[in-house]
Amino acid sequence: NAGVTQTPKFRILKIGQSMTLQCTQDMNHNYMYWYRQDPGMGLKLIYYSVGAGITDKGEVPNGYNVSRSTTEDFPLRLELAAPSQTSVYFCASSDSGLAAQFFGPGTRLTVL
Amino acid sequence: AQSVAQPEDQVNVAEGNPLTVKCTYSVSGNPYLFWYVQYPNRGLQFLLKYITGDNLVKGSYGFEAEFNKSQTSFHLKKPSALVSDSALYFCAVTLDGRYSTLTFGKGTMLLVSP
Repeated sequence: NAGVTQTPKFRILKIGQSMTLQCTQDMNHNYMYWYRQDPGMGLKLIYYSVGAGITDKGEVPNGYNVSRSTTEDFPLRLELAAPSQTSVYFCASSDSGLAAQFFGPGTRLTVL
Repeated sequence: AQSVAQPEDQVNVAEGNPLTVKCTYSVSGNPYLFWYVQYPNRGLQFLLKYITGDNLVKGSYGFEAEFNKSQTSFHLKKPSALVSDSALYFCAVTLDGRYSTLTFGKGTMLLVSP
């Protein structure tokens, strides 16, 4: 039982490049989330999904896109990387919006 | 709108002493409150949650939290701190709605000295 896995662990991008952060969970959770964590700012919700085929914007969605074609996978796409997207990104999943969330180990992204 | 405030950036406690990490919230309705802990270079881990019922909630690793509706607070407590409790602690709030999402506080660093 791996829980929530994220790849890659680290990545350096140049301004304007694109990439996809991968997230997979094996707990059959309906809800999945993408957060970014900046020092001293807590976690900000980027996008979330309440089931396959259903996604919605969180607090800071600009510059990102998501898809949810299966229950297990919830990739996050950065189309045109900007220095403001330098952050640590966490994926999480839960049974419901009121249930405990399980977090992945994070992806540390630097945009130069 | 829902929000959470953690008024202390850092809390310092000596090992064996009781600890309190403060959290206040603002919501329009009945809140659902959570505490998470983050160890260095790791994702967040769930500690405990308040949904309804008893105002004192017990969670993992000997932590507990007290819900106080009149003061809109949900402080995290532990009777005797351990050095291994040193970590970053986050309070979070949500409401029961069609799609409930958490709003996190900025986090409080707990440092427990030997």
